[in-house]
Amino acid sequence: GAVVSQHPSWVICKSGTSVKIECRSLDFQATTMFWYRQFPKQSLMLMATSNEGSKATYEQGVEKDKFLINHASLTLSTLTVTSAHPEDSSFYICSARRPGASGVNSYEQYFGPGTRLTVT
Amino acid sequence: GIQVEQSPPDLILQEGANSTLRCNFSDSVNNLQWFHQNPWGQLINLFYIPSGTKQNGRLSATTVATERYSLLYISSSQTTDSGVYFCAVVNRGGTSYGKLTFGQGTILTVHP
Repeated sequence: GAVVSQHPSWVICKSGTSVKIECRSLDFQATTMFWYRQFPKQSLMLMATSNEGSKATYEQGVEKDKFLINHASLTLSTLTVTSAHPEDSSFYICSARRPGASGVNSYEQYFGPGTRLTVT
Repeated sequence: GIQVEQSPPDLILQEGANSTLRCNFSDSVNNLQWFHQNPWGQLINLFYIPSGTKQNGRLSATTVATERYSLLYISSSQTTDSGVYFCAVVNRGGTSYGKLTFGQGTILTVHP
């Protein structure tokens, strides 16, 4: 199957510091990865689309200077939360799009296990 | 953008019961996926089903694209089926190409 990993699974940091979250597709190459944020008892909210070798595209209302995304290879995308504040505390989930997983023209997305960020 | 509505928002079952979860979407789609989010937050792929019917064990799904809805059937439910079920779609065309839009989810609780 298609496996996506995230590291770390949870992190606690002090206000004002930066945190990097890694997302890896372990058994397939992903030219496109996505970053989501999920608040308790809510649905997933797309933050940005990460394309290998190019700049990420951010959804409206997401600060690109605060949430830095780098997609340096076909298997790795990173999200860096800069100058974190308590309101950035959340569950961050990445996904990777795998072409052809369910047919020639399919683009099924597979999700990592998530990273729980707590900013104190 | 495309709207995705799931019903019911909450569902409580006794073990062994059957259930049907519904997903309505407001525009044409070229991707529809059903996920199960377990208590640890992991989203597990259940079905990739932009149209047609699929079955996997006790679970099956049907998408009627022309009428803009999808159904997820769970038969002989087990306590391990508990969690949140999400429907997510990719809008055909427009500026949202490739992006999944999620419904609000159905919270399923199965009691022993």
